[in-house]
Amino acid sequence: AQKITQTQPGMFVQEKEAVTLDCTYDTSDPSYGLFWYKQPSSGEMIFLIYQGSYDQQNATEGRYSLNFQKARKSANLVISASQLGDSAMYFCAMTANNAGNMLTFGGGTRLMVKP
Amino acid sequence: NAGVTQTPKFQVLKTGQSMTLQCAQDMNHNSMYWYRQDPGMGLRLIYYSASEGTTDKGEVPNGYNVSRLNKREFSLRLESAAPSQTSVYFCAAEGRGFYEQYFGPGTRLTVT
Repeated sequence: AQKITQTQPGMFVQEKEAVTLDCTYDTSDPSYGLFWYKQPSSGEMIFLIYQGSYDQQNATEGRYSLNFQKARKSANLVISASQLGDSAMYFCAMTANNAGNMLTFGGGTRLMVKP
Repeated sequence: NAGVTQTPKFQVLKTGQSMTLQCAQDMNHNSMYWYRQDPGMGLRLIYYSASEGTTDKGEVPNGYNVSRLNKREFSLRLESAAPSQTSVYFCAAEGRGFYEQYFGPGTRLTVT
């Protein structure tokens, strides 16, 4: 079984600064995928970034990067140059080869960007 | 939310009533999923369907039934709603292998 842990229930960041949202995971499967989703107050789930367990490079998508440390089983999301529109809930999730394509989610981190 | 639609957007039920949540995708993907999200929590998988005609239980299947009518549609049924089923329900369709799942806009269900 897979498990995702997000230890930061809420975080503040100043506009234009960078912020790191923590995520640790646990799985016995050597083949897995890690995801970050954003959920604004409107409620939809927006895919941000993906990292495969065999990927050598950290994933990047625009202002989002995933700091993948396999030995530590961590997959932290880094948002550079925060914007007011980044205020939202952020969920880390994973899937594993032995779990089909089912996602297991963490409890989320609420990010609030201050002007 | 590309290509995944859900109806209704909001619903209020009384305890014991039944209803079906509808989900459809136009991306021709095989796998579809139903999740629930309780206040302040992440999503939990209720049921999934790896292909037309097949369904499997997820983490929290009790009190629900599903039906994969065809490749496009995957419905979730509450036979006898309970207040513990008050939640936001998300349908999703698979992305590209391990890649993103596409989520619908959600259905906010309240059971009184």
